[in-house]
Amino acid sequence: QSALTQPASVSGSPGQSITISCTGTSSDVGGYNYVSWYQQHPGKAPKLMIYDVSNRPSGVSNRFSGSKSGNTASLTISGLQAEDEADYYCSSYTSSSSLVFGGGTKLTVL
Amino acid sequence: EVLLLESGGGLVQPGGSLRLSCAASGFTFSSYAMSWVRQAPGKGLEWVSAISGSGGSTYYADSVKGRFTISRDNSKSTLYLQMNSLRAEDTAVYYCAKCRSSSWLRGMDVWGQGTTVTVSS
Repeated sequence: QSALTQPASVSGSPGQSITISCTGTSSDVGGYNYVSWYQQHPGKAPKLMIYDVSNRPSGVSNRFSGSKSGNTASLTISGLQAEDEADYYCSSYTSSSSLVFGGGTKLTVL
Repeated sequence: EVLLLESGGGLVQPGGSLRLSCAASGFTFSSYAMSWVRQAPGKGLEWVSAISGSGGSTYYADSVKGRFTISRDNSKSTLYLQMNSLRAEDTAVYYCAKCRSSSWLRGMDVWGQGTTVTVSS
């Protein structure tokens, strides 16, 4: 199972909005509404930010939102803050009864 | 407070075996699916395996199928990962993660701090 495709890096200034894409196939992202997004700060464990494409767990800021169109899922962060600087990973269930992650995107807050 | 504490990592020679444990607390362990996720040094996340709440269903990444075995002891609130025939490419930090529900598909909402496995001669 090939990793989902994410941009290696994105950047934005405080207060701006950014979007991270996650592209798969009809056998994963496009075929199921089981896309999740994780935030990982250096040296820390990942944190769930979005599940089931667009749902936020309790305690996650509403500045984080998720969506999907066809084989591409997206994570949007609005009102960028310094603490949002981290690595972000998408994941999806696949038709092979497995889970696949994206390669990760490094977000830099300028 | 919901906590996951991994143990059992270490240095092992290629071809060797290791068993990881993950002690859970703060939630009804048997009600939730659990997963193992690993991260090689400087690399991204890789899903390894998942298990249903009862332990009756297990799932594996192709990269570990036939070599790794996931299991759980609900009476001890503990998750395990038995790793055999270890290879250099298995070197990583291994995270234990609680799935959001009884389904392992819908995100992992609690993660342990990770345990490091190094496969080297």
